[in-house]
Amino acid sequence: NAGVTQTPKFRILKIGQSMTLQCTQDMNHNYMYWYRQDPGMGLKLIYYSVGAGITDKGEVPNGYNVSRSTTEDFPLRLELAAPSQTSVYFCATHTSGSYEQYFGPGTRLTVT
Amino acid sequence: AQSVTQLGSHVSVSEGALVLLRCNYSSSVPPYLFWYVQYPNQGLQLLLKYTSAATLVKGINGFEAEFKKSETSFHLTKPSAHMSDAAEYFCAVSGWNSGGYQKVTFGTGTKLQVIP
Repeated sequence: NAGVTQTPKFRILKIGQSMTLQCTQDMNHNYMYWYRQDPGMGLKLIYYSVGAGITDKGEVPNGYNVSRSTTEDFPLRLELAAPSQTSVYFCATHTSGSYEQYFGPGTRLTVT
Repeated sequence: AQSVTQLGSHVSVSEGALVLLRCNYSSSVPPYLFWYVQYPNQGLQLLLKYTSAATLVKGINGFEAEFKKSETSFHLTKPSAHMSDAAEYFCAVSGWNSGGYQKVTFGTGTKLQVIP
């Protein structure tokens, strides 16, 4: 099992460009999350999904969009990249009734 | 509302010395508490979790944490630090949100440096 995979590992974007961060899990978990991690700030929830076809906003959703067409995939879309979106992005997942979240290795994004 | 406070953004210990990383929480309901470890350029990995069973929780790599309700604390300890313990550690509290998802609040992290 690969667990939770994220692509790309690194990306540099220019202001105004768009991109999609990919997250795939092979654990058959219902719940999936996108977090961003900024130095000294811990992790902040961007969006989450409780199952295929169901998504909702977290604490810091502005500037992002998500979709969940399958159990396995939960892509995060940045439409108009801004310097404030420079961060490390983590995808996480867990199964119903479990409290342990499994994290992907992260995507380091720089917007200049 | 729930929150987590980690005391000390950086902690240095000598190899072989006691590791103590402090975490205090606030939660309006009985909390579920976690410690995660993050090695450089990696995602977070669960060290241990408290889910209302035994108050002394043992985790991987020799770490343990004690849930103290009266002090609202969940400090992480290890009797003898190893060089491989150098990493960033996050305390987290979680509960089930009314929207049906697990709301996890992370602390701001403590970077542990181990000095040879």
